[in-house]
Amino acid sequence: QKEVEQNSGPLSVPEGAIASLNCTYSDRGSQSFFWYRQYSGKSPELIMSIYSNGDKEDGRFTAQLNKASQYVSLLIRDSQPSDSATYLCAVNTAGNNRKLIWGLGTSLAVNP
Amino acid sequence: DTAVSQTPKYLVTQMGNDKSIKCEQNLGHDTMYWYKQDSKKFLKIMFSYNNKELIINETVPNRFSPKSPDKAHLNLHINSLELGDSAVYFCASSRKAGTYSGANVLTFGAGSRLTVL
Repeated sequence: QKEVEQNSGPLSVPEGAIASLNCTYSDRGSQSFFWYRQYSGKSPELIMSIYSNGDKEDGRFTAQLNKASQYVSLLIRDSQPSDSATYLCAVNTAGNNRKLIWGLGTSLAVNP
Repeated sequence: DTAVSQTPKYLVTQMGNDKSIKCEQNLGHDTMYWYKQDSKKFLKIMFSYNNKELIINETVPNRFSPKSPDKAHLNLHINSLELGDSAVYFCASSRKAGTYSGANVLTFGAGSRLTVL
């Protein structure tokens, strides 16, 4: 059973701090990795996608991928209360790039 | 506005009834999906169509039947509704599946909250 695992949280950080969210996956052949943000009562929205080992930065967000260790992380710098949401990690399955496996999400609370 | 739109947003119905949820996207995407998100917030794929062809059909009861009249529309019909069907159903779309950068990037609709009494 291919799996994606995340700590459910809640992860609580003070405003202005760095929030670090982690995700591990079981399918070693996976090629595409995604972080989605979901506010309560809303639909998921893409924050970051990453396809190669290393770091990818977009504004306050940095995704980090390590395929050898099978983990992908999301760093949020200068956390804001508006970042409070559930962050979902999604990983494609090897051999069938049309199917994503989703983690249960990590709830992040940024305290003013 | 370019978007994925689904209707209705809320649906409250009795056990045993039949209901449909409609989805439309004007993003020009080739692939559309139905996801179910239960009370524990787990997002589970149900079906996926690529240009009207069914490509993913997870272990879903036969009471659920998707229909894609064209690549911009994907509807979901549910027969004989049960209490356990209560959830939020999300429609989503993406560019053509593949291994290129940007593949599998999903755009979600706002969701349809189904409550079965």
